[in-house]
Amino acid sequence: DVKVTQSSRYLVKRTGEKVFLECVQDMDHENMFWYRQDPGLGLRLIYFSYDVKMKEKGDIPEGYSVSREKKERFSLILESASTNQTSMYLCASSLGDSLGGDEQFFGPGTRLTVL
Amino acid sequence: DQQVKQNSPSLSVQEGRISILNCDYTNSMFDYFLWYKKYPAEGPTFLISISSIKDKNEDGRFTVFLNKSAKHLSLHIVPSQPGDSAVYFCAARQNTGGFKTIFGAGTRLFVKA
Repeated sequence: DVKVTQSSRYLVKRTGEKVFLECVQDMDHENMFWYRQDPGLGLRLIYFSYDVKMKEKGDIPEGYSVSREKKERFSLILESASTNQTSMYLCASSLGDSLGGDEQFFGPGTRLTVL
Repeated sequence: DQQVKQNSPSLSVQEGRISILNCDYTNSMFDYFLWYKKYPAEGPTFLISISSIKDKNEDGRFTVFLNKSAKHLSLHIVPSQPGDSAVYFCAARQNTGGFKTIFGAGTRLFVKA
């Protein structure tokens, strides 16, 4: 059974702290993604990676960075957390199937609160 | 600039009737469209997809229709069941080397027993 795990379900941090969100997939997927979900805005892509050490900016990369040192792990880093980064963060992975829809498998999400 | 729009934030349907969820897009370069379902406190799960070269795809109670000229797609659920109550996200994929996917804002479906 496919599985995407995220390091925390709930996280509370203070403004200015450096925050690490970890995501691990066990499906040997090529692609990994980080989204944030906010009411009325749906899922917005922060960064994605289609190979180890490769990354591409999504629609809202400002204030975030990512790291993919191993195929199964994709980390999202908030260099200096701010209150407007309070959100639900969702990690996903996909096979990288160019011939099909390449559906994504999502983790359960991390609800981050920045005080 | 929203490339994928779901204009109805919510929809209420009686059990056994048809649910129709709509989605509009602006980018002609999208090559696949997908629907995901999300329950509270869980990540979204894939439901059904359609290639941009097709106009219909069916999987059990779920059918997705694509109208390329209108840049519009819809998800039909027949018959609707209370367990279908969830938030449904429309998504569109663009092959940019990796597979960037743009999601709509979601439609919350309530199926009343």
